[in-house]
This record gives sequence, C-alpha cells and structure tokens, in this order.
Amino acid sequence: KDQVFQPSTVASSEGAVVEIFCNHSVSNAYNFFWYLHFPGCAPRLLVKGSKPSQQGRYNMTYERFSSSLLILQVREADAAVYYCACEGGFKTIFGAGTRLFVKA
Amino acid sequence: EPEVTQTPSHQVTQMGQEVILRCVPISNHLYFYWYRQILGQKVEFLVSFYNNEISEKSEIFDDQFSVERPDGSNFTLKIRSTKLEDSAMYFCASTPLAGGPNTGELFFGEGSRLTVL
Repeated sequence: KDQVFQPSTVASSEGAVVEIFCNHSVSNAYNFFWYLHFPGCAPRLLVKGSKPSQQGRYNMTYERFSSSLLILQVREADAAVYYCACEGGFKTIFGAGTRLFVKA
Repeated sequence: EPEVTQTPSHQVTQMGQEVILRCVPISNHLYFYWYRQILGQKVEFLVSFYNNEISEKSEIFDDQFSVERPDGSNFTLKIRSTKLEDSAMYFCASTPLAGGPNTGELFFGEGSRLTVL
C-alpha cells in the first residue's frame, strides 16, 4: 500500500537545528516534497526533489525511500505542521504530518 | 501572486444534504486535486482531474462524491448525501504540469471546512 511515514511530533529549542524524518512505500515515487502548514492557511511547499537540496533555512536530505527535512536556526514562528509527501502515478501521497514544538 | 481560491471557507449542513465545494485553480494549471483532512488526522488524497476527466481516485471517493469543471475556471466537489463522517477540511490544489510521475509542487487553497450535523 502506498504510504508515507513521519513522526507525529518533534520538539526543538530556538536557534537549534531540527530534523524531521520521513520514509515511504509509494510505488514509483522518486521525489520528496516537504510542505509547511499553519492551521487556517494553505499548505505551501518548502523544498522538493530527488537529491539533497536547500531553500533558505530548509535543507532536504535524500535517499531513494527516505528523506529528512532540516530546519536551521529554528524560531518560535516555525511552530507548525510539516508534511512529507511523495508522488506515485497521478496522485501525491502525504504523511500524517509532524507537529513542531519550539521552546524559547 | 496567483493563488488557488476556495469557497465557502466554512459550511454547516444537515446530514443527508447535498454540498458543493468550489475551487478556482490557478489559471494556467492543468491538473486539479481534492484532498481532505479530518480534524486531527492526516491530509488524504481524494481525486485528481485532468483534461476534463478523473485521472485517479482513492477509496474514499465513492459514489457519493463527484467532481466537475463546469466552465473552464471553477473546479467543484459535490457530496451528494452528506454523512457525519464527511466533516473535514477539504483542500483544493492545482499544478501547472501534466500528470504522471514527478509532476512537482501542488498549489493549495486555504481549504473549505465542512461540518455535518
């Protein structure tokens, strides 16, 4: 069954680097996508790809069946839900989301 | 910046009633999607739509659900006879590329919250 797995919560302190891990069992999926979601807003893409990549404070590691999102210099404002997603066929499969808690 | 818009932002309905959720995808996008998120649960794929027909649908998307692109700009999700368990946030999304592997980023709307009483 096509599934994406990620932890339900992660906690970090301000200024630290936080890592959110993801792995999948999605058929024919090569790209990972990491989305940020604040409740009440549209989810938006942070970083994507089939190789390690970086967008600002967001780094993405890549293995064929797993990826990590690293957020550098974490801030309180980063507290949100982060979704890992993979694409298989004509649909994108999302993980259950990881809620990031940030301690001041 | 172009964005996906959804209406209504919140709809409350009685069980058994029909509901239509509306979406205006970004104008040059080709692929359209509906996802839903039951409170406290993950974002779940419902259906993808390309070239005026369904490309793929999930087990959730049963005969009570239908999608339509009636006029070249709107993309609607209809739930024929709502059930309590249909209460969720429904997200519309679009992408500029044709379907298939590695199509890229989904552009989401802010969601329509459906509450079925």
